[in-house]
Amino acid sequence: AQSVSQHNHHVILSEAASLELGCNYSYGGTVNLFWYVQYPGQHLQLLLKYFSGDPLVKGIKGFEAEFIKSKFSFNLRKPSVQWSDTAEYFCAVGTNAGKSTFGDGTTLTVKP
Amino acid sequence: DTGVSQDPRHKITKRGQNVTFRCDPISEHNRLYWYRQTLGQGPEFLTYFQNEAQLEKSRLLSDRFSAERPKGSFSTLEIQRTEQGDSAMYLCASSLGRGVGDTEAFFGQGTRLTVV
Repeated sequence: AQSVSQHNHHVILSEAASLELGCNYSYGGTVNLFWYVQYPGQHLQLLLKYFSGDPLVKGIKGFEAEFIKSKFSFNLRKPSVQWSDTAEYFCAVGTNAGKSTFGDGTTLTVKP
Repeated sequence: DTGVSQDPRHKITKRGQNVTFRCDPISEHNRLYWYRQTLGQGPEFLTYFQNEAQLEKSRLLSDRFSAERPKGSFSTLEIQRTEQGDSAMYLCASSLGRGVGDTEAFFGQGTRLTVV
């Protein structure tokens, strides 16, 4: 069975700080990995995805993630966060984009 | 807005009543997914359709739950004899699937169910 673990439930940063959100997964087959973001009052949106190829994936709004197969990890990073990045972030693993197992999410609060 | 649309956005019902939610996917998307999300947790997969065929159901989907997608377009999720534990956000997503995989799923804003 698939499982996803997000290490931090709540992260608080000041603007311009660097961000790294941890995600580890357990899955026996070929993995497709995703990060979603949910801004307050809005729907889940895809930030970035990894299917194959270059393990360093770039997404929207300056986010990137690195797939490290040996560590079963897919951590999300951003070099300099903005107040508008305040949101909940979900890591997911799945056989396709729609059928995924999600982590419990990390709430990011960016202080201006 | 041409995204995934869910109706209603909020539903309060008494325990024991039946409720039905509707999801309208992005028009050309052949795959449709239902998820449930409770407070403090990530979305949990419930079921998915490819066109009108229901291809997979999670064991979370008890006998009181039924989902349909009669013409391969919109879908409904019905919960019979609601219980307080059914209180959650119900999310719908759609994607354009080709072969085994698809590359991006689009989520609706969800229907928040409160059972009192």
